[in-house]
Amino acid sequence: QVQLVQSGAEVKKPGASVKVSCKASGYTFTSYGISWVRQAPGQGLEWMGWISAYNGNTNYAQKLQGRVTVTTDTSTSTAYMELRSLRSDDTAVYYCARGTIRADHWGQGTLVTVSS
Amino acid sequence: QSALTQPASVSGSPGQSITISCTGTSSDVGGYNYVSWYQQHPGKAPKLMIYDVTNRPSGVSNRFSGSKSGNTASLTISGLQAEDEADYYCSSYTSSSTVVFGGGTKLTVL
Repeated sequence: QVQLVQSGAEVKKPGASVKVSCKASGYTFTSYGISWVRQAPGQGLEWMGWISAYNGNTNYAQKLQGRVTVTTDTSTSTAYMELRSLRSDDTAVYYCARGTIRADHWGQGTLVTVSS
Repeated sequence: QSALTQPASVSGSPGQSITISCTGTSSDVGGYNYVSWYQQHPGKAPKLMIYDVTNRPSGVSNRFSGSKSGNTASLTISGLQAEDEADYYCSSYTSSSTVVFGGGTKLTVL
């Protein structure tokens, strides 16, 4: 069965960086893209970006351009999302999901807390 | 890219039908048949309920259906059940090759 397992919760100080991992199993990793979506406490879903696991092509939300990088390691079927220059409003649950235009399987979410 | 517009809340009684709207522009909802709907229960990850406007993934009840007219997509849930109470989000592919979500709708089953 398709599974996406994300890394554990993180606490970071403002200005730091965070890198969240997402290990996929149960399907051919390079046949699907991976999307990243975040959800601030009590708020809605916000699309962050996606990567083609086939060729590494990426596309990011304009709001996060320059601060976010999504990569994949096809040898371990793992996707990574790095967010830099963290601010308090980056505090959120970060999800990876299989797919680009539609996300049909989701990771369990990773809580990233940004606090001084 | 502005978020798609959804009503903040809708409600219905068990057995009734409800419809949630999702309004965008010709650069997203109106321009592509790539609207998806997600269900999210508190503290859980979202679950895909409808994709490509009208299609249901395997395992999703046929009580859930999707449609689109112009720049507005809709999710209809028929035969409301208590377990349908959740937040619902629409999303659409955009002309910038990105994805945009709606603000979310809280469904209350009375």
